[in-house]
Amino acid sequence: AQSVTQPDIHITVSEGASLELRCNYSYGATPYLFWYVQSPGQGLQLLLKYFSGDTLVQGIKGFEAEFKRSQSSFNLRKPSVHWSDAAEYFCAVGDNYGQNFVFGPGTRLSVLP
Amino acid sequence: DGGITQSPKYLFRKEGQNVTLSCEQNLNHDAMYWYRQDPGQGLRLIYYSQIVNDFQKGDIAEGYSVSREKKESFPLTVTSAQKNPTAFYLCASSIAGGETQYFGPGTRLLVL
Repeated sequence: AQSVTQPDIHITVSEGASLELRCNYSYGATPYLFWYVQSPGQGLQLLLKYFSGDTLVQGIKGFEAEFKRSQSSFNLRKPSVHWSDAAEYFCAVGDNYGQNFVFGPGTRLSVLP
Repeated sequence: DGGITQSPKYLFRKEGQNVTLSCEQNLNHDAMYWYRQDPGQGLRLIYYSQIVNDFQKGDIAEGYSVSREKKESFPLTVTSAQKNPTAFYLCASSIAGGETQYFGPGTRLLVL
């Protein structure tokens, strides 16, 4: 069965600092990988996704993520964080058999002025 | 505009009452999902449907029921058997299972 771990429950960074949110997955084949962001009281918005091809994917709001098969990771990065990036971030894995879609527990990001 | 709508934004339930949360999508997606989110926690899958007139239980289906009579609609009923219904409920849809899911704005259910 697929599983997703996000080791960091809560991260605090200063505005303008770089950011990396960790995501590790367990899946037997090549997974579909996603990052979503959720502002308080809102639905989830897709930031980026990886299905195949280039392992470095670009998303919205200046985010990028890198798929590393050898480490079973799909970490999210941003070079300079803005105060509006404070939110909850979820990593997710889907399969290409159309059967399952699993979310990680989420990482809450706080941004200091 | 294409998207997913959920209504109402807030819903109050009295003890012993069944309530129904609405989810509608005009994205022509085959698959639809219901998730429950509790404060500070991730998403837990309640039910999902990959095609009209068919649906499967997720991880926490007890106390909930769904129907999928139309492609664009996937209502969730929280029954009186659900003893702790206070949560944020999110509906999502995708072209097919395992593909990118798109989310509605959510419904917050509170118990009076």
